[in-house]
Amino acid sequence: QKEVEQDPGPLSVPEGAIVSLNCTYSNSAFQYFMWYRQYSRKGPELLMYTYSSGNKEDGRFTAQVDKSSKYISLFIRDSQPSDSATYLCALKGGGNKLTFGTGTQLKVEL
Amino acid sequence: EPEVTQTPSHQVTQMGQEVILRCVPISNHLYFYWYRQILGQKVEFLVSFYNNEISEKSEIFDDQFSVERPDGSNFTLKIRSTKLEDSAMYFCASSVGQGGTEAFFGQGTRLTVV
Repeated sequence: QKEVEQDPGPLSVPEGAIVSLNCTYSNSAFQYFMWYRQYSRKGPELLMYTYSSGNKEDGRFTAQVDKSSKYISLFIRDSQPSDSATYLCALKGGGNKLTFGTGTQLKVEL
Repeated sequence: EPEVTQTPSHQVTQMGQEVILRCVPISNHLYFYWYRQILGQKVEFLVSFYNNEISEKSEIFDDQFSVERPDGSNFTLKIRSTKLEDSAMYFCASSVGQGGTEAFFGQGTRLTVV
């Protein structure tokens, strides 16, 4: 079983839709949960990070963590064409390294 | 807005040659990282660096790789003898605090080994 699993997509939605992006993980040692956005041939851009289970909201973005199910989500409200990118979940345990998912490619269409 | 900068953006090198990838982390950050992303694959951790020494490294980071902070601003990754499979995007990242929970990434250097 992979440490972090993420549906690669592509996921195509109409402008204004609510988008749900998800990752599952197997290692219960992960304590910190990040979401990055990556445009084509660019570096990952940090969107949000959370610690422990619960929700965190930042503008149109909501991150949700369920440690009991080992399941994390990112919701994007009122999606825009500029949100079209690859979304990466990244998880961290007690050390320094981030363990990334493979990324979900999102396309928001006009 | 402060950002991590990497040079060059693209480097082509012959197999067996040494390459040095350069990064300027955000100025008040203390922790530095290198990651790589082979085309179509996930971003993978290579190494973290703090207080002029490696704090953690992955199994990918073998003896062919080394990192250095030669002065107060630059952070470099050296690949001593490149192989075809080293072709990838290499990302530098930095964070203020330990553990990289809020790591900011550079735009990457695309390394092509021919």
